[in-house]
Amino acid sequence: DTGVSQNPRHKITKRGQNVTFRCDPISEHNRLYWYRQTLGQGPEFLTYFQNEAQLEKSRLLSDRFSAERPKGSFSTLEIQRTEQGDSAMYLCASSLGTGNFNSPLHFGNGTRLTVT
Amino acid sequence: GNSVTQMEGPVTLSEEAFLTINCTYTATGYPSLFWYVQYPGEGLQLLLKATKADDKGSNKGFEATYRKETTSFHLEKGSVQVSDSAVYFCALRGMDSSYKLIFGSGTRLLVRP
Repeated sequence: DTGVSQNPRHKITKRGQNVTFRCDPISEHNRLYWYRQTLGQGPEFLTYFQNEAQLEKSRLLSDRFSAERPKGSFSTLEIQRTEQGDSAMYLCASSLGTGNFNSPLHFGNGTRLTVT
Repeated sequence: GNSVTQMEGPVTLSEEAFLTINCTYTATGYPSLFWYVQYPGEGLQLLLKATKADDKGSNKGFEATYRKETTSFHLEKGSVQVSDSAVYFCALRGMDSSYKLIFGSGTRLLVRP
């Protein structure tokens, strides 16, 4: 179990630029989740995948945000035309799939985005 | 919709004191309940869970009991250590077939020697 890996750890970008983050889940986990966390708050759900299918998207996920998981393994989260309000920690998590409704989420250490 | 409410922090205790962090939830039916912990500079880690009413989750000296009648899942530890200083998050997974977790806002615990 090598854990959930996220890259980069930190990203500083100028307002209006596009950014992309990558998440590598635990290898046998077929569910993958993206969350956003701002200072002093709990993680807010953005979206999740079962294998390559994106099954749920939060209303928080504006049309500037897009997530993919093309082969059901790693995932990317892209933010287009970044705004200062996008500054946050972006967390990825994974969990076991079918028949494991109560399986916990395993989190990566996150990508901290700063939009200047 | 489903939601989780936690007591606000920070909670400051002396070493070996008794800890309670309150968590209540709003959800239909019987959600699964979780406590996660975030140590400084680290990612969220599962601390314990309970999946049905009256279940008690426990780990590392921490306990929480799933109380359906009070819709609560309070975290307790009999004797805290400095190393327990962290942010604690209560979370639920609803019965709506979505696998996502919904988190509370977190409670920071500071344990002084």
